[in-house]
Amino acid sequence: DAKTTQPTSMDCAEGRAANLPCNHSTISGNEYVYWYRQIHSQGPQYIIHGLKNNETNEMASLIITEDRKSSTLILPHATLRDTAVYYCIVRPLTGTASKLTFGTGTRLQVTL
Amino acid sequence: SQTIHQWPATLVQPVGSPLSLECTVEGTSNPNLYWYRQAAGRGLQLLFYSVGIGQISSEVPQNLSASRPQDRQFILSSKKLLLSDSGFYLCAWTTWVARGANTGELFFGEGSRLTVL
Repeated sequence: DAKTTQPTSMDCAEGRAANLPCNHSTISGNEYVYWYRQIHSQGPQYIIHGLKNNETNEMASLIITEDRKSSTLILPHATLRDTAVYYCIVRPLTGTASKLTFGTGTRLQVTL
Repeated sequence: SQTIHQWPATLVQPVGSPLSLECTVEGTSNPNLYWYRQAAGRGLQLLFYSVGIGQISSEVPQNLSASRPQDRQFILSSKKLLLSDSGFYLCAWTTWVARGANTGELFFGEGSRLTVL
């Protein structure tokens, strides 16, 4: 069972910020939040990850709430090429292996 | 650098026929390996994962099986395909993270699209 929940779909106008929420209320202290996106008929690609501090890279920003029960992926200036399904998952980075399950993700449609 | 290869890319098989999808990883050792399936318009369903040679964990009861004969080889098989086995199959790998060593991300293969007729 997925440990995260996300809205099924969202729309965003090109050039505007896309804010994609994820709920992970049962996250453990050693689990990180990861975001991936999947463009049609391709394997998912890594976007960003974080533990408890906000993170930013060349693709996106990740805002994690103080209680770590939810997070938001921000695409600051969405383009048509950002149309994809976005998944958030949680996973530990140390210790024994774990299964990595994905939820249904959020289908982001960027429009003109 | 690490790479992952998955084949065949597309496959059309009759009901009741066998299946073998292969996945190999290069440039890393002792990876955790995963098989996912994605039905049309749906999310990623975890089928199997492996933490080492010969160690397979199954997540969904089905007529599929997985094997890991070598450290960086992961095979998905079926003796008799069902119509419901149609989908997009993805292999992925990751490793455990030493502090600062890597991002711990999942790396996915290009996928294998299976159509069972």
